[in-house]
Amino acid sequence: AQTVTQSQPEMSVQEAETVTLSCTYDTSESDYYLFWYKQPPSRQMILVIRQEAYKQQNATENRFSVNFQKAAKSFSLKISDSQLGDAAMYFCAYRSAQGGSEKLVFGKGTKLTVNP
Amino acid sequence: DVKVTQSSRYLVKRTGEKVFLECVQDMDHENMFWYRQDPGLGLRLIYFSYDVKMKEKGDIPEGYSVSREKKERFSLILESASTNQTSMYLCASRHGVGLYEQYFGPGTRLTVT
Repeated sequence: AQTVTQSQPEMSVQEAETVTLSCTYDTSESDYYLFWYKQPPSRQMILVIRQEAYKQQNATENRFSVNFQKAAKSFSLKISDSQLGDAAMYFCAYRSAQGGSEKLVFGKGTKLTVNP
Repeated sequence: DVKVTQSSRYLVKRTGEKVFLECVQDMDHENMFWYRQDPGLGLRLIYFSYDVKMKEKGDIPEGYSVSREKKERFSLILESASTNQTSMYLCASRHGVGLYEQYFGPGTRLTVT
């Protein structure tokens, strides 16, 4: 079974600085999807960014980008120019590309604090 | 915008009660999911459904059941609530497979006393 590991339970960053959240995963599959979700305090979880494993180019969404290292099974999230609104729990997630694989496998999350 | 709603934000029940958590989505998604979220454990899948009346067990189905009689509604049932089921419950829905985004509801914080 696939597993997702987020080794940093908590991280902090100064406003306007850059922070990188780590995520590694374990799989024997070659085709899959990876996601980062954000859960602000007392608010709904939302998608931050997503990546298809067969695409070598790292995904970017405004201030959010990923460093996808397929061989190392690593999918880190970089947040540039951090803002107070970035404070949240961040979850890394994996989904198989095999037919019938509807399940997302989540890591345990990283709590990001943004200091003014 | 996709909207996933859950019937209650906060719920307090007594041990042994039968508890119903309701989830409704408005975007005709085939897939719906129930997770529980506990500090330090992340999100764990309880059950999911890929079509009306179809369901699959997730990673922690014990003590729970589900019902999906209509495409837009997915219910989680605690047959006899226990204190170890005190948790945050999140519903989610998604269209198809692949890179589609999964949308989450606001969550129900259930306390069983």
